[in-house]
Amino acid sequence: GEDVEQSLFLSVREGDSSVINCTYTDSSSTYLYWYKQEPGAGLQLLTYIFSNMDMKQDQRLTVLLNKKDKHLSLRIADTQTGDSAIYFCAEKSPSGTYKYIFGTGTRLKVLA
Amino acid sequence: GAGVSQSPSNKVTEKGKDVELRCDPISGHTALYWYRQSLGQGLEFLIYFQGNSAPDKSGLPSDRFSAERTGGSVSTLTIQRTQQEDSAVYLCASSLDLAGPQHFGDGTRLSIL
Repeated sequence: GEDVEQSLFLSVREGDSSVINCTYTDSSSTYLYWYKQEPGAGLQLLTYIFSNMDMKQDQRLTVLLNKKDKHLSLRIADTQTGDSAIYFCAEKSPSGTYKYIFGTGTRLKVLA
Repeated sequence: GAGVSQSPSNKVTEKGKDVELRCDPISGHTALYWYRQSLGQGLEFLIYFQGNSAPDKSGLPSDRFSAERTGGSVSTLTIQRTQQEDSAVYLCASSLDLAGPQHFGDGTRLSIL
């Protein structure tokens, strides 16, 4: 079935790196996404990776994809207090419905 | 507009009333999606539009929920005879086409008393 799992909480100190992990179930997913949600706001697209890539880097963000293990991670370098938010990973459903399957989100708390 | 716009941002209504939620997608985006986010939950897919047609309505929770899109732009999500379990944040997203990444609005927070 379709399922995307994430740990619920992560706490890091300002300046450290954060690594948020995600596992998904459907190996035929074509794209995987990371979104950020701040309180009272919608989801902000951070980055995405195509399934034939292993890694994508965008400034402080690094996405790693292990397709064999169906594992996706988001690394945030030099984490800042403004990075405190809920981070969602999502896979695009390959069933043709074009919906995204979202994880339940990881709440990142950055300690000053 | 610059981003996806949803209105109202907050809606409080009594159980049994009908509500209508509006979504203005990014200009030029042909695909539009509705999701529901309940407290502490992830996002639940409701329906998507390609142009004005909705090929997949499988996510609508019950026949009290309906959605339409006119002119390939604005969409409305209507909930009839609201129930307390309908309380949630309703998020709308749009994408240039079905292959493109989805961009989200800030949502409508719906509270049913």
